[in-house]
Amino acid sequence: EAGVAQSPRYKIIEKRQSVAFWCNPISGHATLYWYQQILGQGPKLLIQFQNNGVVDDSQLPKDRFSAERLKGVDSTLKIQPAKLEDSAVYLCASSSRQGYNYGYTFGSGTRLTVV
Amino acid sequence: ELKVEQNPLFLSMQEGKNYTIYCNYSTTSDRLYWYRQDPGKSLESLFVLLSNGAVKQEGRLMASLDTKARLSTLHITAAVHDLSATYFCAVDKGNNDMRFGAGTRLTVKP
Repeated sequence: EAGVAQSPRYKIIEKRQSVAFWCNPISGHATLYWYQQILGQGPKLLIQFQNNGVVDDSQLPKDRFSAERLKGVDSTLKIQPAKLEDSAVYLCASSSRQGYNYGYTFGSGTRLTVV
Repeated sequence: ELKVEQNPLFLSMQEGKNYTIYCNYSTTSDRLYWYRQDPGKSLESLFVLLSNGAVKQEGRLMASLDTKARLSTLHITAAVHDLSATYFCAVDKGNNDMRFGAGTRLTVKP
C-alpha cells in the first residue's frame, strides 16, 4: 500500500511569512495526526483528526497555526506568521482503527527553516 | 499531564555488547509504542505493547511492558552497527493520542 505522502520535503521562509504543508494519508485511514519535531527532541502532537473532525488540538498554537482536513482525506497545516522557533520537521501520521495495535504510519516529513 | 521519560538520552556501545533503554511514564496507559528514526528520516514502528507483561522480539531487539511500574524496556542483544539510530518510546494517553519521549540516540561502534 502507498505510504503517507507529504509535501514539500523542505521549505525555507523568512520570519513573519506564511507557509502551508500538505498531507495525504494512507487510503482508508480515518485518523490523521500532525506532529512537530524540533531538532533533538521527540515529536510533539499538534492536532489529531478523526475523519474531518478535530479530536485534540490542545497543543496547537492557534494564534498562528491552523489545520484542516476537508472531506476527511487530505490535510493541510498552515503557519501564519512564522517565527524562528517554528523551525522543525512537521510530520504527518495516519492510522486505521486496527492500526492502533500496529503503530501509526508516518510520512517523510517537511523540514521547515525560518530565517 | 502525561510525562514520558527515556534514559539514557545518548548511548554509545561497542558491537557485540548488550544494553537496555528505559521508558518511564507518569499516568496509567495500556498501550506503548517503540519507534526507530534514522538521521533525516521519518519514524518506523518497531513494537506495539498492548498489555501488562507483554514482550515482543524482533532480531536483536526485545521490548517489554510493565504497566504497574509504568515502565517499558528496549533490550539490545549483541549490538551491530546497523542498529545505530534514535529510538523513541511513545505512550497512548487515551483517545489514541501518543506522547513521545525525548529519544535515545544510539551509536554502535566497531
